[in-house]
Amino acid sequence: AAGVIQSPRHLIKEKRETATLKCYPIPRHDTVYWYQQGPGQDPQFLISFYEKMQSDKGSIPDRFSAQQFSDYHSELNMSSLELGDSALYFCASSQGTGDYGYTFGSGTRLTVV
Amino acid sequence: GENVEQHPSTLSVQEGDSAVIKCTYSDSASNYFPWYKQELGKRPQLIIDIRSNVGEKKDQRIAVTLNKTAKHFSLHITETQPEDSAVYFCAAPSPSGGSYIPTFGRGTSLIVHP
Repeated sequence: AAGVIQSPRHLIKEKRETATLKCYPIPRHDTVYWYQQGPGQDPQFLISFYEKMQSDKGSIPDRFSAQQFSDYHSELNMSSLELGDSALYFCASSQGTGDYGYTFGSGTRLTVV
Repeated sequence: GENVEQHPSTLSVQEGDSAVIKCTYSDSASNYFPWYKQELGKRPQLIIDIRSNVGEKKDQRIAVTLNKTAKHFSLHITETQPEDSAVYFCAAPSPSGGSYIPTFGRGTSLIVHP
């Protein structure tokens, strides 16, 4: 069965650089959630999209932005990267309002040096 | 918004013992409660979930119970095996603007000793 696809799997960037993470949801899933997970921490909600519109915003820094495209894939753009941005970034997708479960992608491990 | 508390943060058991992890939530409108297992460096994997119209659900060695009145739900693992060692997260969706945002507990690190 198709899963949530994230790319790239690993990314190394220098401070103050820009990074773009991509998420391709499960077919027919129209909602995407982005999470940031630091070492030993629980996933922290960043932002979500439903039907290509931002539906909710969590602890996403102003340096980050995201959008969902017409094919429902989503991109998380991160600028002026800081060392503290090093983390695992997961996206999850669901169908509709999300009360029938979410499936996570494999994540992107971002390392800022 | 939703506030999810998970206990314990670490749980160490001997192989074959049972393990119980408990989560409490604050939003009475929450109606879907998944449990995820996350191995080091990997994605959270859904292992079992329960909806608010059900009090208990079982899948082989894993069960989840829900007490809506008390706003808590628990994960039960019986006959634990070393491969059960992982971090387990509970989640409760927080209704927000017509959608549901999964809010996670802080995680429980389960260690099963052979």
